[in-house]
Amino acid sequence: QSVLTQPPSASGTPGQRVTISCSGSSSNIGSNTVNWYQQLPGTAPKLLIYSNNQRPSGVPDRFSGSKSGTSASLAISGLQSEDEADYYCAAWDDSLNGRGVFGGGTKLTVL
Amino acid sequence: EVQLVESGGVVVQPGGSLRLSCAASGFTFDDYTMHWVRQAPGKGLEWVSLISWDGGSTYYADSVKGRFTISRDNSKNSLYLQMNSLRTEDTALYYCAKDLGGIFGVVTLYGMDVWGQGTTVTVSS
Repeated sequence: QSVLTQPPSASGTPGQRVTISCSGSSSNIGSNTVNWYQQLPGTAPKLLIYSNNQRPSGVPDRFSGSKSGTSASLAISGLQSEDEADYYCAAWDDSLNGRGVFGGGTKLTVL
Repeated sequence: EVQLVESGGVVVQPGGSLRLSCAASGFTFDDYTMHWVRQAPGKGLEWVSLISWDGGSTYYADSVKGRFTISRDNSKNSLYLQMNSLRTEDTALYYCAKDLGGIFGVVTLYGMDVWGQGTTVTVSS
């Protein structure tokens, strides 16, 4: 049972916009920034979004992040076949003396 | 080139010990917070541990607290994870990762922007 809650799956057709949600609590998303990772099959995760809505250099602006209260979202616009991957949210959690926490991951399928 | 290379993953019996290493290059290692993250076969990512840029602060997931110890040697640009009292549920691919934050900020998870390729730990009799 992950501390951050994500839907297990999402899907969309090429060109569509999809969003993936991440729900937490006051001790994690409510008081710390959220980051998002993309993991393609057989590869290490890649940072997509940090500080709720900032993109590292090289990440296309099709990817965007937002946060409101104790929830966050990742939006992917202009969906492409190469976006098919697992997506994870993460945040720092201030409970239990401090720890990092991930969501359970969302498998995105491009139909 | 910014790079992290993990090593030390092997097959070990339950109750055994193991030390993972992560060699960093291409960036000023001692400026940054570092993490260990693991992924069990077919499962999601699990944060394991964090160490501050100077080694003065460490944090652990409840699942490993008291059994695992994170450390770093800034003179060798290296990160370590000492794993004791290993359990079958510790079987996973272990990644080391560099945080965006470090010497100029609060010790926390800002975002892991560089990852290694991972090293596999299998705990089995």
